[in-house]
Amino acid sequence: GESVGLHLPTLSVQEGDNSIINCAYSNSASDYFIWYKQESGKGPQFIIDIRSNMDKRQGQRVTVLLNKTVKHLSLQIAATQPGDSAVYFCAENISGGSYIPTFGRGTSLIVHP
Amino acid sequence: GAGVSQSPRYKVAKRGQDVALRCDPISGHVSLFWYQQALGQGPEFLTYFQNEAQLDKSGLPSDRFFAERPEGSVSTLKIQRTQQEDSAVYLCASSLVQGSVGTEAFFGQGTRLTVV
Repeated sequence: GESVGLHLPTLSVQEGDNSIINCAYSNSASDYFIWYKQESGKGPQFIIDIRSNMDKRQGQRVTVLLNKTVKHLSLQIAATQPGDSAVYFCAENISGGSYIPTFGRGTSLIVHP
Repeated sequence: GAGVSQSPRYKVAKRGQDVALRCDPISGHVSLFWYQQALGQGPEFLTYFQNEAQLDKSGLPSDRFFAERPEGSVSTLKIQRTQQEDSAVYLCASSLVQGSVGTEAFFGQGTRLTVV
């Protein structure tokens, strides 16, 4: 049978472009959000997090934007490099409640040299 | 090594066989998490340990799945009578901070289990 789970959303960009990866979360009570990067054959790696009392947080070449009104997160990667090619997951969590974040499905980022 | 180590990296099991997957967390990390990741999907929580205590096993899909961490360090995830739907990558993460999988948590490379 068809394995629909294999077809991750994919974003293809050229090296040097900016990338924007989007994520819709499900629980309006979630107040802590994390972006992970997962390269092929490796476990997820923490990139950046944000709490619900913020709407923007910047790291090195990455920015996370949070829109609680529409329950939407985005990860912006500046000057994308081939080494950024990976699957990116957002995860949501509720502080003080379950400490177990719920992961989204993931977006595959492909960076062309 | 300094990271979370999982073994074996790959495991092929015949349907009905029992398997044991090992996780060596980072030394001193009190929290340990197991996740199951199906192909093309995000990781799904299985169970959580704080030291040797299994505080949450709500994600274990059936009573064929069992996890232990008897001395609060190495953990083993055991799957009895494996079935094809158990085929997935099993990820372990450890954290110095109690119950956190944010900045303080580190994932291993995972064990890819294929049940044939």
